[in-house]
Amino acid sequence: DVKVTQSSRYLVKRTGEKVFLECVQDMDHENMFWYRQDPGLGLRLIYFSYDVKMKEKGDIPEGYSVSREKKERFSLILESASTNQTSMYLCASSLRVRTGTDNEQFFGPGTRLTVL
Amino acid sequence: GENVEQHPSTLSVQEGDSAVIKCTYSDSASNYFPWYKQELGKGPQLIIDIRSNVGEKKDQRIAVTLNKTAKHFSLHITETQPEDSAVYFCAARRKFSGGYNKLIFGAGTRLAVHP
Repeated sequence: DVKVTQSSRYLVKRTGEKVFLECVQDMDHENMFWYRQDPGLGLRLIYFSYDVKMKEKGDIPEGYSVSREKKERFSLILESASTNQTSMYLCASSLRVRTGTDNEQFFGPGTRLTVL
Repeated sequence: GENVEQHPSTLSVQEGDSAVIKCTYSDSASNYFPWYKQELGKGPQLIIDIRSNVGEKKDQRIAVTLNKTAKHFSLHITETQPEDSAVYFCAARRKFSGGYNKLIFGAGTRLAVHP
């Protein structure tokens, strides 16, 4: 069965802390994504990766960085957490997109991060 | 920039009634439109999708229609059941820099089906 797991369901951090959100997929997918989900705004893409050690900025990358050292693991890093980064964070993965095809994104259950 | 608008934001129906959620997109180059369902405490899951060369697609009680000229697409759920209660997201695909595709999501619709 397809599985995307995220390291924590709930996380509480203080302003200025460095925060790591981990995501692991067991489907051998090339693509991995980090979104944040906020009420009334839907899902917004922060970063994505199409291969090991590769990354691309999404729509809202400011204040975030990512790391993909292994194919199955994609980490989101908040270098210095701020209160406006309080949100639900969703990780997703998909097979590599080929011309003319579309591949389903499989999502993890999410991490609800609160920054105090 | 690319935008997907979704309406309504909340929808309440009686069990057995139909539910319709509508989305509009701004980029005429978008050519793939998936719908995701998010149940409480879970991540979104794909329930149906449609490509721009098709006007309608159906899967049991769920159907999606696409009007490319008007740039809008809709999700139709017939004979709703309590287990259809969830948040539904529409999305449109567009080409990203470097040739990669990405999805632009709507804001979501919270559907409540009352027994």
